[in-house]
Amino acid sequence: AQSVTQLDSQVPVFEEAPVELRCNYSSSVSVYLFWYVQYPNQGLQLLLKYLSGSTLVKGINGFEAEFNKSQTSFHLRKPSVHISDTAEYFCAVSKGGGSYIPTFGRGTSLIVHP
Amino acid sequence: DSGVTQTPKHLITATGQRVTLRCSPRSGDLSVYWYQQSLDQGLQFLIQYYNGEERAKGNILERFSAQQFPDLHSELNLSSLELGDSALYFCASSVGGAGGNEKLFFGSGTQLSVL
Repeated sequence: AQSVTQLDSQVPVFEEAPVELRCNYSSSVSVYLFWYVQYPNQGLQLLLKYLSGSTLVKGINGFEAEFNKSQTSFHLRKPSVHISDTAEYFCAVSKGGGSYIPTFGRGTSLIVHP
Repeated sequence: DSGVTQTPKHLITATGQRVTLRCSPRSGDLSVYWYQQSLDQGLQFLIQYYNGEERAKGNILERFSAQQFPDLHSELNLSSLELGDSALYFCASSVGGAGGNEKLFFGSGTQLSVL
C-alpha cells in the first residue's frame, strides 16, 4: 500500500523568506507525486506533479519540488514567500502499490507573517 | 473556479438522519471522486465513479453510498448519521479514470455538521 507522511503540521515563516514543506512517501514501486494547495474556504488545486523524467519539477506561483527516490521524498520549496501563500498544502501519491487513486498526506499549514 | 460544483455548501442535521450531497463535475470529465476531510483523519478517499460505473472504493462506510448518473453528476448518500460523520466532503473530477497521473479538480466542498 502507498502512504504519505507530511512531517510538519504547521510551518510559520516571515514574508520574503524561503520555505520548504517536507513530504515522504512509502511505496515499493514507482509512483506519481503531487502537491496540492487549499486556500481558506476553497477546494484543493494542483500546484505541481512528478510523473517521470527530471527530478526537479516547477509549478505555479513560484513553487518547485524535487523528487528524491533514494530518500523517498518530494519536498516543496519556494525561495521567497508572500502573504498570499498562506494556505494548507497537501502532498499526494498515486500508482504505488497498484493503487491509482491519489492518497493524500495530513497537510501542512503554511502561515506567512508580515 | 475549478468547474466542479458541489451543493449544498453547508448542511446541518441530527443523528440518525439521512442526507444527500450532490456534485457536478467539470464539463468533459468522466470521473468523479469523493473524499472526506476531517481534523483527525485528514483527507480520506471514499469512492470513485467513471462514466457511470463504480471504479474504486476506499474507506467508505456501509451507511454511505454513491452513484453517478447518465449526465455524469454524482450523489453521495449518507444515512444513519453519527456525530463522527461531521466533516468536509469534497468531490473531485478528472478526465479519465485509471491512469493515476491525472490532475484532480476539486469542488469547494460540503460542510456537514451532525448534531
